[in-house]
Amino acid sequence: DIQMTQSPSTLSASVGDRVTITCRASQTLNNWLAWYQQKPGKAPKLLIYKASNLESGVPSRFSGSGSGTEFTLTISSLQPDDFATYYCQQFNSYSWTFGQGTKVDVK
Amino acid sequence: QVQLQESGPGLVMPSQTLSLTCTVSGDFINSAGYHWSWVRQPAGKGLEWIGHTYTNGNINFNPSLKSRLTISLDMSKNQFSLKLSSVTAADTAVYYCATYFEGYGGQGHWGQGTLVTVSS
Repeated sequence: DIQMTQSPSTLSASVGDRVTITCRASQTLNNWLAWYQQKPGKAPKLLIYKASNLESGVPSRFSGSGSGTEFTLTISSLQPDDFATYYCQQFNSYSWTFGQGTKVDVK
Repeated sequence: QVQLQESGPGLVMPSQTLSLTCTVSGDFINSAGYHWSWVRQPAGKGLEWIGHTYTNGNINFNPSLKSRLTISLDMSKNQFSLKLSSVTAADTAVYYCATYFEGYGGQGHWGQGTLVTVSS
């Protein structure tokens, strides 16, 4: 199975900050990686698909990058609505796996 | 726009079988390219992929759950279902159904989730 290591587990930031979250895979993913945002009591929401593609309707301050085994989600200027938990998920194998999550909270 | 809705008992006795259904609207469950998946989340913890099925009936399971898991499609009702046998308290979680379209690289549509508690 492909293991996903997401870091940091918690990130304290202020409105306007640039935020970066990293996901590392135990094997190459061929860009089959997605990023989600989840708020308490809600289903995850797809932000980025296939590593770097912005899902329709998602603000352009969100971006995804990376290749091989290391991928990054960047929020260019954190907004009040962005305080949430973020997950990566890989689809490169028949057995899909999520990262452990990164909670972005108020500094 | 595909919409998903989970349904099923909110309380299951230990050692029994958890059964959930996901009703799909906005497209047909036998449409080519879709993977129909289940994800769960214990309270205060992260997301865990459970498994997914294709429109051709092939199924992929989380290896840690494979021996207890059944996922199936009901084309006549436009639904897919999850059965998890021999449940314990560790299976208590919010269960989500979701879609993945072949080649897209992300699960774009999710149900709202349903809490299943395993307790006597």
